[in-house]
This record gives sequence, structure tokens and C-alpha cells, in this order.
Amino acid sequence: EIVLTQSPATLSVSPGERVTLSCRASQSISSNLAWYQQKPGQTPRLLIHDASTRATGIPARFSGSGSGTEFTLTISSLESEDFAVYYCQQYHNWLWTFGQGTKVEIK
Amino acid sequence: QVQLVESGGALVKPGGSLRLSCAGSGLILSDYHMSWIRQAPGKGLEWTAYISITSDSIQYADSVKGRFTISRDNAERSLYLQMNSLRVEDTAVYYCVREYYGSGGQWGKGTLVTVSS
Repeated sequence: EIVLTQSPATLSVSPGERVTLSCRASQSISSNLAWYQQKPGQTPRLLIHDASTRATGIPARFSGSGSGTEFTLTISSLESEDFAVYYCQQYHNWLWTFGQGTKVEIK
Repeated sequence: QVQLVESGGALVKPGGSLRLSCAGSGLILSDYHMSWIRQAPGKGLEWTAYISITSDSIQYADSVKGRFTISRDNAERSLYLQMNSLRVEDTAVYYCVREYYGSGGQWGKGTLVTVSS
């Protein structure tokens, strides 16, 4: 099983700040990585697939990068609606796995 | 409005069985690979099972292998998850998820399964 490790577990930031979230895979997964946002009481929303491609309707302030085992989700300027939990997910094979999540909270 | 709608969640005793269903509204479910993903209360996301469009490829997480069965009826445009030998740790919201570029492109609102005596 491919294990995804996200860091940090929690990030305290102010609106307008640049945010960088990390996801590390236990083995190479090429670019087969997605990022999701989940707000309290809501369904997860796909942000990024194929490591760097924004899903339909996702604002340009969200960007993804990386390949192999190291991946990053960047929010260029955090807005109030971006406070949420973010998950990475690999699909290198059909045994999908998720990271444990990073909570982005208001500082 | 394009959406996935799950049903079948309930309170069940340990060792019991439950069958979840998922229907598509505004989309043809039979056109997509599908998965079930669950989320225990206050916890993260756990992929549970996957089924390809033609059902020729089916995969399970180790935690449910041998107890859960994913299936689909493309004529009925429905997805199912048969859950047997349920355990307390299976308690979660179960989401029906449409695959999109290998990831979860569309999610239903989920159905709650509670396993408790």
C-alpha cells in the first residue's frame, strides 16, 4: 500500500498569506496525485488532479506541483473561504489512498 | 442538476449486513468508473472500493476485503455496496464517487452507517 504523509497537520495563517502544503508518497507515483478541499459539514471538493491540473471551476490561486514522491499544494493568497482541511490522494494504481489531511485555520 | 445520491445507511448491530445504493441524477452512471469512499466521524477519508465501467476490474481496501462487495447495474444506472460482517470501526459516512482523471471528480452527499450494539 502506498502511504501518503501530509505536513504540517495544522497550519495557522492569516487571510492574504501564501500557503504551502506538502504531501509525500512512500514510493514513486509519477504525477498520479489529486488534492481535495473539505469544509466542515461539506463533501470533499476536487481541486487538483494529475498533480498540477486545476479541476473545473477552481480559482487560479490554487496550484499544484511535484512528481515522484514529493508534492505541493500552494494557495497564493489565502481567502476567508479557503479555511478548511486539505487532503492529497494517490491513484498510481486503483488501490487509492489518502493522506491524513492538513487543517488550514485562521491565525 | 448533476448529482449522485446515496441511500441505505442505517444503524446496524455488529455482525450485521447492509446494502448501500447510489443513483445518478443528470448523469449516466454507467459511463464512469466508480468508487465508494468513507469517512469516520471526525476522521479523514478512506477509499473503500472501486469498480470499472464494465465491472471487469474491482478493487477493495484491505480493511473491507472479504466483507464488502461493490457492484453495479448499468441498466438500472445504479451502484451498490453490500456490507457484511459489519464492525464498529465501519461506522462512517459512505460517499459514492465518480472517477475523473483517476481521482474523485464528483461526490454524493453521503449516507451514514452506524455499527453499534
